[in-house]
Amino acid sequence: QVQLVQSGAEMKKTGDSVKISCKTSGYTFTDYYMHWVRQAPGQGPEWMGWFNPNSGGTRYAQKFQGRITMTSDTSITTAYLEVTSLRSDDTAIYYCVKMLAYNPRAGGDYWGQGTQVTVS
Amino acid sequence: DIQLTQSPSFLSVPVGDRVTITCRASLDIGNFLAWFQQKPGKAPNLLIYAASTLQIGVPSRFRGSASGTEFTLTISGLQPEDFGTYYCQQLNTYPFNFGPGTKVEIK
Repeated sequence: QVQLVQSGAEMKKTGDSVKISCKTSGYTFTDYYMHWVRQAPGQGPEWMGWFNPNSGGTRYAQKFQGRITMTSDTSITTAYLEVTSLRSDDTAIYYCVKMLAYNPRAGGDYWGQGTQVTVS
Repeated sequence: DIQLTQSPSFLSVPVGDRVTITCRASLDIGNFLAWFQQKPGKAPNLLIYAASTLQIGVPSRFRGSASGTEFTLTISGLQPEDFGTYYCQQLNTYPFNFGPGTKVEIK
């Protein structure tokens, strides 16, 4: 069965960086786009961008340009999100989201369990 | 950016009633719209994609429809497990933003 298992909670200080991992299993990693979405306390989800594990291509929301990097290690079917220059308003749960198809517009059918990042 | 508005923002509905949630986009997004259900402390769960396609494993009481820039999620016969917050997401134009959500409470 498809599983996306994310790394554990992180406590960071303003200005720090964080790198979150998303270990996948149960499907061919390079056959589906991966999105990253975050959700601040009491707020709705916020789309951050997508990563193409087959080509390494990315598309980031303009809001995060220059501050986030999405990568992967295909040998261990793991996706990564790095966020730099953390601010207090980056405090949120971060999710990796597998797309339904090899199409960034397909819709996210499997979500990781989320990684809490707290910045103070 | 495309703006998504959802109405209503809150619903309290008895079991068995029909629920209708609307998501309006500020510009044409074709049928690139998905609906999610989120329960407290959990990740969102995909219900509908491409505006009207039911995700595998989702009960058939959930239905999505579209008319221009207005999209509707209908739950025919609300069940106790359908409580939660429902979000739409557009995947036509970057950024692929989400609507503000509709919280559904079982009366």
